[in-house]
Amino acid sequence: DVKVTQSSRYLVKRTGEKVFLECVQDMDHENMFWYRQDPGLGLRLIYFSYDVKMKEKGDIPEGYSVSREKKERFSLILESASTNQTSMYLCASNYQNTEAFFGQGTRLTVV
Amino acid sequence: DAKTTQPPSMDCAEGRAANLPCNHSTISGNEYVYWYRQIHSQGPQYIIHGLKNNETNEMASLIITEDRKSSTLILPHATLRDTAVYYCIVRVVSNTGKLIFGQGTTLQVKP
Repeated sequence: DVKVTQSSRYLVKRTGEKVFLECVQDMDHENMFWYRQDPGLGLRLIYFSYDVKMKEKGDIPEGYSVSREKKERFSLILESASTNQTSMYLCASNYQNTEAFFGQGTRLTVV
Repeated sequence: DAKTTQPPSMDCAEGRAANLPCNHSTISGNEYVYWYRQIHSQGPQYIIHGLKNNETNEMASLIITEDRKSSTLILPHATLRDTAVYYCIVRVVSNTGKLIFGQGTTLQVKP
C-alpha cells in the first residue's frame, strides 16, 4: 500500500519557534509538494520539489522554506512561527503526470 | 493552467447517481482534467482523469464534452461515504506534476 507519511497529526508551537514539518513517501516519486489548507481559502501550494535538492516556490512561499536532501523526504520549515501560520498542512507526492498521493495532514497551532 | 468553475455545494440522495459539473472554458489542447476528493479530516484522494475521451474506473466516470469546455464527474450509486469536497483541476502534463486546487464542490449525500 503506497504511503505518504507526515510526522505529526497535531502540533502546537509557540510564536517565534522554528518548526519542522516532515514528510516521507515510499513510492520513489520525483515530485513532492507542501500545501496549506484554511477554511474558505482551499488548498494553497507553498513549495514543491521535482528532484533532490531542487525546489520551486508555489503560490504562498512567504514565511516558509523547504529542504529535500533525500528523494523520499521533503521538509517544510517555519523559520519563526507566527499565529497566521496556524493551519492544516498537507504533503503530497507524484511522478510526472500520475496521480498525486497525499498524507493525512498536520494540524499546526501556533500560540 | 486553465481555471475551473464548480458549484459550491450539491446534495444527492443515497443510492442515486451524483453528477458533479465543472466548467473549464479556457482549457487548452494539452491540458488534462483531473478530479480529486477530500473527505473531512483527510488528505485529498485521486479519483480519475482524462484528456478528451470519457473515462471510467471503479470509483467514477468522467464525461468530457466534445469541445472540452466542461466535464461531469459521475458517481453512479452514491453512498454516505461519498460525502466530501470534490475538486476539478485542469493542468498541463509536465514533469513537475503540480496541482492547483480551486474551491471545489461540497457534495452531501443524504439518506
